[in-house]
Amino acid sequence: QVRLVQSGAEVKKPGASVRVSCQASGYTFTSYTINWVRQAPGQGLEWMGWITPYNGDTNYAQRLQGRVSMTTDTATSTAYMELRSLKSDDTAIYYCARDGDTLVAFDIWGQGTMVTVSS
Amino acid sequence: EIVLTQSPGTLSLSPGERATLSCRASLSVSRNSLAWYQQKPGQAPRLLISYTSIRATGIPDRFSGSGSGTDFTLTISRLEPEDFAVYYCQQYGTSPLTFGGGTKVEIK
Repeated sequence: QVRLVQSGAEVKKPGASVRVSCQASGYTFTSYTINWVRQAPGQGLEWMGWITPYNGDTNYAQRLQGRVSMTTDTATSTAYMELRSLKSDDTAIYYCARDGDTLVAFDIWGQGTMVTVSS
Repeated sequence: EIVLTQSPGTLSLSPGERATLSCRASLSVSRNSLAWYQQKPGQAPRLLISYTSIRATGIPDRFSGSGSGTDFTLTISRLEPEDFAVYYCQQYGTSPLTFGGGTKVEIK
């Protein structure tokens, strides 16, 4: 069964950093790009960027450049997303999602990780 | 950046009725790389349609997608009770990838 399982909820203070993990199972981890998408409370979906586990290539949304880093550990089939200098409007559910096969969009999603930024 | 505008914002329909959801792009979507997702409260989005009209695995055939260029449509031929949810379109042909603001399909 193909799955993405994310780490648990986090509460952080403004200015801090958070790292969310996303462990893949049921498929060859290095064969599919992982995207990160977030959703503020009651709002829509925002793409944050992607990472290709095969070679570590990344592509970040411009508005997050300099604050976000995406990495992978192929030994454990885990993707990580770190967001730095947190602000209150970074409060959101963070999802990892797998790119599907050729021309297929985000076919497998993690369950989401709630990140709350509050003083 | 390609801006996706979904309409209507809310669609109030009864089970058994037909739902037609629109997604309009500010620029032509590369290779018709337009997807639709369904999201229910407290759940992650679920892929319905890729590449404008290709249903994802396990998606019933009452869901269909159409369109090209800048205008795309998701049609639910006969609404089932489990179809009441929020629907998002996404273009994934050009970076940055972008999502529409969503259409909520609610029970009338």
